[in-house]
Amino acid sequence: GAVVSQHPSRVICKSGTSVKIECRSLDFQATTMFWYRQFPKQSLMLMATSNEGSKATYEQGVEKDKFLINHASLTLSTLTVTSAHPEDSSFYICSASTSWGEQFFGPGTRLTVL
Amino acid sequence: AQKVTQAQTEISVVEKEDVTLDCVYETRDTTYYLFWYKQPPSGELVFLIRRNSFDEQNEISGRYSWNFQKSTSSFNFTITASQVVDSAVYFCALTSGTYKYIFGTGTRLKVLA
Repeated sequence: GAVVSQHPSRVICKSGTSVKIECRSLDFQATTMFWYRQFPKQSLMLMATSNEGSKATYEQGVEKDKFLINHASLTLSTLTVTSAHPEDSSFYICSASTSWGEQFFGPGTRLTVL
Repeated sequence: AQKVTQAQTEISVVEKEDVTLDCVYETRDTTYYLFWYKQPPSGELVFLIRRNSFDEQNEISGRYSWNFQKSTSSFNFTITASQVVDSAVYFCALTSGTYKYIFGTGTRLKVLA
């Protein structure tokens, strides 16, 4: 099956710093990638839809200037949490979509902002 | 609007008991897909099944079985003879058209030895 990787798997940073999370589809090309955030004991909430070569589409309530998304190639999308604060601490999951719309999920990145 | 409801927040069973996790969905689309995922403590989502709206056949895979009923907009998941390793959070999800996945709130299953 399709494999999606995320790096790093875990990151701890100081408040005010920026953190970049990478999402890669390893064995297929993904024109669309999705970024989700999951707070403890809650469901996955879609943050944004990332299309290769174009600007990401953000869900209502998600600050596009705080969560910068770049999808420069068909196998890589990055999420940068800018000026991170403790309330940004969460589990971030990406997914890569095949041409027929099925999503394959990465293993997630646990962000802790001190 | 699309919606997925998992009314059971948490279920505890004793090992070897059967357990059914409920999923009720709402959509106006005639073509859609339903999924079940398992999320163990590690956090990684584990794909369990995908079912399209035109296939109402029930499916069995080992100790897992799924009951898809369009008449009641339900896609329930049963684990037979539960094991401690089945302890996890289980999510039901729906997608159609836009390719966005709508996740339910999840059901935390605890299987006690």
